[in-house]
Amino acid sequence: GAVVSQHPSRVICKSGTSVKIECRSLDFQATTMFWYRQFPKQSLMLMATSNEGSKATYEQGVEKDKFLINHASLTLSTLTVTSAHPEDSSFYICSARDRGDTGELFFGEGSRLTVL
Amino acid sequence: AQSVSQHNHHVILSEAASLELGCNYSYGGTVNLFWYVQYPGQHLQLLLKYFSGDPLVKGIKGFEAEFIKSKFSFNLRKPSVQWSDTAEYFCAVNAGSYIPTFGRGTSLIVHP
Repeated sequence: GAVVSQHPSRVICKSGTSVKIECRSLDFQATTMFWYRQFPKQSLMLMATSNEGSKATYEQGVEKDKFLINHASLTLSTLTVTSAHPEDSSFYICSARDRGDTGELFFGEGSRLTVL
Repeated sequence: AQSVSQHNHHVILSEAASLELGCNYSYGGTVNLFWYVQYPGQHLQLLLKYFSGDPLVKGIKGFEAEFIKSKFSFNLRKPSVQWSDTAEYFCAVNAGSYIPTFGRGTSLIVHP
């Protein structure tokens, strides 16, 4: 199957700093990428849909100024957590769908963010 | 709006036991259905999917799922589980907007 890579896999930062997480589709072009947040023992919560060359679509309750998403190319989307606080600590997962749009998502490894 | 319900949040089995994980969705139209698995320390990966055709779908590692339209269900089954099946299992539904909605997940622990 297609490969999606996330970086970094783990990041620890101080409260008030910003953190950028990258999501790359390695062997296919993804016009659409999705960013999820996963809390312990809970499901994946869709945060936003990232569309190449246009603004991201955020889900209700997700602060767009807090979680900046950029999808500058068909293989890269970035999520920047701005002015991070301890409550932003979580597991962030990106996924991408092949341009063939079969509906199947390919997931990145996830990024564990810890804000001190 | 579509929603997905997974009834079993934690399941503990012994090796060779049979497994069935429930998944129900709410959406009246055509749906695509998925089961994803997340092994400890690994990322989510597709176990099996249903788009159309035979409602009994075979996936990897001996898993299968049956789509029962009248019950809005897509239960996951395996006749004989192994210790290596210990993982989190997520049911997902994709309809209309093509943005999959995930269930809460089921944690499966298989004792050797």
